[in-house]
Amino acid sequence: QVQLQESGPGLVKPSETLSLTCNVSGVSIGDGGDYWTWIRQPPGKGLEWIGYIYYIRHTDYNPSLESRVSLSLDTSKNQFSLKMTSVTASDTAVYYCARGLVGGGAADDAWGQGILVTVS
Amino acid sequence: VLMQSPVTLALSPGETAVLSCKTRQYVNSNYFAWYQQKPGQAPRLLIFRSSMRATGVPDRFSGSASVTDFTLTINRVEPEDFAVYYCQQFGRDFGPGTKVEI
Repeated sequence: QVQLQESGPGLVKPSETLSLTCNVSGVSIGDGGDYWTWIRQPPGKGLEWIGYIYYIRHTDYNPSLESRVSLSLDTSKNQFSLKMTSVTASDTAVYYCARGLVGGGAADDAWGQGILVTVS
Repeated sequence: VLMQSPVTLALSPGETAVLSCKTRQYVNSNYFAWYQQKPGQAPRLLIFRSSMRATGVPDRFSGSASVTDFTLTINRVEPEDFAVYYCQQFGRDFGPGTKVEI
């Protein structure tokens, strides 16, 4: 069973860089395929796709965030990471990592529990 | 851009819920999904490839697609089905959500 767990600081200062890591168990992310995804949800609002990394090194980002976001994969640790620069209060959200299943049309069939990041 | 309707759907247990998601242009139905989210929880995948139920999802949930119109139907709504439902295309863009409430 695939399990994901987000980790990182819960408080980030404005203008600094938000860094989160998603630890994956139950599957090897180095096997390729699948979409390793970050999604966020501001308090009381809907879901916003941030981006995903797939086939180890290919990335795709939400155009509205692309200039500030980068994703990476560490196959040796079986984890993937998100970096978001120049954060503001509007980046305050619960951040989720998820696995998008290639065989399932990229639908996210496994999610982490989420981590609340406050920019203040 | 995905457009979901209604914004809120008020139902009684046992009734049928019909949720709509419309796209502005053609979407390959293989890349369309529905999720359920309850307060304080991560979203849960319900339907992928427009009409396939994810593992463990009861058969009262069903999905259908017609070019730019996608529908999630919940037959005989149970108390645990009251939640927010999101549609998604290409494993990326989400709709704004429909809240199903009592």
